Amino acid sequence: GAGVSQSPSNKVTEKGKDVELRCDPISGHTALYWYRQRLGQGLEFLIYFQGNSAPDKSGLPSDRFSAERTGESVSTLTIQRTQQEDSAVYLCASSLSGASGNQPQHFGDGTRLSIL
Amino acid sequence: GENVEQHPSTLSVQEGDSAVIKCTYSDSASNYFPWYKQELGKRPQLIIDIRSNVGEKKDQRIAVTLNKTAKHFSLHITETQPEDSAVYFCAATSPGFYFGSGTKLNVKP
Repeated sequence: GAGVSQSPSNKVTEKGKDVELRCDPISGHTALYWYRQRLGQGLEFLIYFQGNSAPDKSGLPSDRFSAERTGESVSTLTIQRTQQEDSAVYLCASSLSGASGNQPQHFGDGTRLSIL
Repeated sequence: GENVEQHPSTLSVQEGDSAVIKCTYSDSASNYFPWYKQELGKRPQLIIDIRSNVGEKKDQRIAVTLNKTAKHFSLHITETQPEDSAVYFCAATSPGFYFGSGTKLNVKP
């Protein structure tokens, strides 16, 4: 596709529910990243995929968060038993990358998650 | 993992003045340092980047300098314009991307 696509663009759900966020990277981009951005804050690294393996998942805040990726394509970020502090914009980015990671990232528009 | 610190958190300049934002990083293995601009409600957009084998890079009014020994890099914007007003993020890769906390730049007309 032309750019990184994320869905849904907005998600409102009740505390305790599970949510699944989707990211479609730019075709051919082997690296994929998830970030969390709270209102007025910086970009909090969550997880990085190289192909369908995750060499760095150190940023996942708790075991309620998980992510997977199918090949070099779509990734899903799942948050189980959501809490109000999970409310944020979840951004996905992709890049052409070898293991060195020294390629620019291209961001999607994000999913704005609101937990009631 | 990598730790990136960014200063200042807010910066207000008069139109036409220069703006400088500084970042430090902790992992000496980091070898790629991009800068992103994020306007309110929009996605971050890459504005310039530098790799570890280069000390300085310039693109029109924007320049970035890198000091690998001291583990710091800086963004320089000259002749600032109101449309430069945004939040700027630095990042270092090792190889996951680690972002600084952001600098809110306000250019006053």
